[in-house]
Amino acid sequence: QSALTQPASVSGSPGQSISISCTGPSSYVGDYNYVSWYQQHPGKAPKLMIFDVSNRPSGVSNRFSGSKSGNTASLTISGLQAEDEANYYCSSYTSSSTLYVIFGGGTKLTVL
Amino acid sequence: QVQLVESGGGVVQPGRSLRLSCAASGFTFSTYGMHWVRQAPGKGLEWVAVIWYDGSKKYYGDSVKGRFTISRDNSKNMLSLQMNSLRAEDTAVYYCARAGFGITWYYDYWGQGTLVTVSS
Repeated sequence: QSALTQPASVSGSPGQSISISCTGPSSYVGDYNYVSWYQQHPGKAPKLMIFDVSNRPSGVSNRFSGSKSGNTASLTISGLQAEDEANYYCSSYTSSSTLYVIFGGGTKLTVL
Repeated sequence: QVQLVESGGGVVQPGRSLRLSCAASGFTFSTYGMHWVRQAPGKGLEWVAVIWYDGSKKYYGDSVKGRFTISRDNSKNMLSLQMNSLRAEDTAVYYCARAGFGITWYYDYWGQGTLVTVSS
């Protein structure tokens, strides 16, 4: 199964906004609203930031938002802060042939 | 508070077996689907397996199908992963993760991970 495609890296200055894309076949992204996003700092477990495309868990800053258009989902972080520097992974689900969960390759966010 | 604590990792030779466990607490374990997700050193996340809240359904990623078995004991709040015929490419940190309530496909809690190293 091919991975969801994310940019390897993105960067931004404090206070700026950035977006990370996650593109996949329609059977993963376009057909379902199950895209989720995770933040992972080095040596730590991933943390859920967005679920079901655009929902934010309690306790996650409203600077984080998610959206989807066609076969591409996006995570937007506004008002960048130093602590946002981390790896970000998107994930989705399919049941087109067999049930399967897939992750994107990850995006390294650098806060300049 | 929700806690997931993995154990059982270590160094194992290729072709051998290893069993991972995940002790859950702080929530009603028997009402949540549970997953294993792994991460090879310096690499991204890879989904390994899912088990339904009642153990009635199990699904696996292609790279582990036929070699790994996920199971749970709801009376002991325990999730397990039996790994057979281990390969070098199975070397990774293995996380247990709780799915959101209901039939959901996101992970709202993760354990700290346990490292499995397959090497001769």
